[in-house]
Amino acid sequence: DAKTTQPNSMESNEEEPVHLPCNHSTISGTDYIHWYRQLPSQGPEYVIHGLTSNVNNRMASLAIAEDRKSSTLILHRATLRDAAVYYCILRLNYGGSQGNLIFGKGTKLSVKP
Amino acid sequence: DTGVSQNPRHKITKRGQNVTFRCDPISEHNRLYWYRQTLGQGPEFLTYFQNEAQLEKSRLLSDRFSAERPKGSFSTLEIQRTEQGDSAMYLCASSQGVSNTEAFFGQGTRLTVV
Repeated sequence: DAKTTQPNSMESNEEEPVHLPCNHSTISGTDYIHWYRQLPSQGPEYVIHGLTSNVNNRMASLAIAEDRKSSTLILHRATLRDAAVYYCILRLNYGGSQGNLIFGKGTKLSVKP
Repeated sequence: DTGVSQNPRHKITKRGQNVTFRCDPISEHNRLYWYRQTLGQGPEFLTYFQNEAQLEKSRLLSDRFSAERPKGSFSTLEIQRTEQGDSAMYLCASSQGVSNTEAFFGQGTRLTVV
């Protein structure tokens, strides 16, 4: 399984930017980097994904290192509703597990008012 | 379309009983995934379907677990002879395409085995 490494927890203040790091040194050239988050008592929710270039959407930005061995999810202004567990996942593009989403333990983000 | 729907939302069963969960994916999504999640852990992959074909099963999926997706539409996950260790949240997700698309998750079915 493609592995990712994330800090167990992070804290942020409301309305400040948050940078959530992820290491994926074993990534292959065609694996997509996906981020999901899970609010308490809910199913995971898609946040963003990318391959090589940085990506922006209404929820967040994804900064991908040039060698693709790490990425950073950026929440530009954290709100209390952003408190969740954030998962960085490699979605394989080839092989028997193509397209599968393998979750790690994620980063629990706390947001302080 | 209201997203991925899972039923029931909660299920309490006695040890040794069989239970069946249902997942209705988003229309026309060809991929359907089942996960299990226990408290404080990330979702653990169980199995997935490409249309009606079950393409991969996790080692976690013991012989007591079986999943089907007849006609590539809804899916069922059955657990036979439930054990207390089966108590968990069972999540279903669907996506259209493979790696370059987002997956949509249901709210899950919480199983409690007493």
